[in-house]
Amino acid sequence: KQEVTQIPAALSVPEGENLVLNCSFTDSAIYNLQWFRQDPGKGLTSLLLIQSSQREQTSGRLNASLDKSSGRSTLYIAASQPGDSATYLCAVIEYGGATNKLIFGTGTLLAVQP
Amino acid sequence: KAGVTQTPRYLIKTRGQQVTLSCSPISGHRSVSWYQQTPGQGLQFLFEYFSETQRNKGNFPGRFSGRQFSNSRSEMNVSTLELGDSALYLCASSQGNRGSSYNEQFFGPGTRLTVL
Repeated sequence: KQEVTQIPAALSVPEGENLVLNCSFTDSAIYNLQWFRQDPGKGLTSLLLIQSSQREQTSGRLNASLDKSSGRSTLYIAASQPGDSATYLCAVIEYGGATNKLIFGTGTLLAVQP
Repeated sequence: KAGVTQTPRYLIKTRGQQVTLSCSPISGHRSVSWYQQTPGQGLQFLFEYFSETQRNKGNFPGRFSGRQFSNSRSEMNVSTLELGDSALYLCASSQGNRGSSYNEQFFGPGTRLTVL
């Protein structure tokens, strides 16, 4: 059974710092991995999608990497800003099913202090 | 392109009642999935619909049901509400191609259901 874990559960950093969020999954047979952010009480905003054949994706100050063999993904945020404060979630779609079911991690609550 | 929309945004119901939530996917997307989010359980998959057919179902009781219409809009229904059904209900849409790694999923703002 696929399990997705995110470490740390919470993180507080000063503005301007570079930071890394971690995501681990137990079964490497995945179609893709997607990173989301969620503001309190709101829906999920897609940040990056990494297909199983890719190693990384970049969007602005965000860079996500994927290492299927070790079951890990990282989300790198450069020059953090208070507006980056949110919960960050990673999710995978398992290989082998004709489905879009996402299996989510537990999330990392990020606070960027001005 | 308009994003995923969900109505209503907030609902307050009492135990035993039933509720219907609606989701309109991004134009051209044929897959709609529903998730329940609670502080204790996180995000849990309810079901997925593709071209009006349920393609996958999560581990929820039969009180939770859904359907999809020919225009890809989807509704979910919860009957005989319980206190534990209080949650944020999110729907996600994607193009939904079978077994594709290109399926980026986009979420709506959610419906906050409170059961008293």
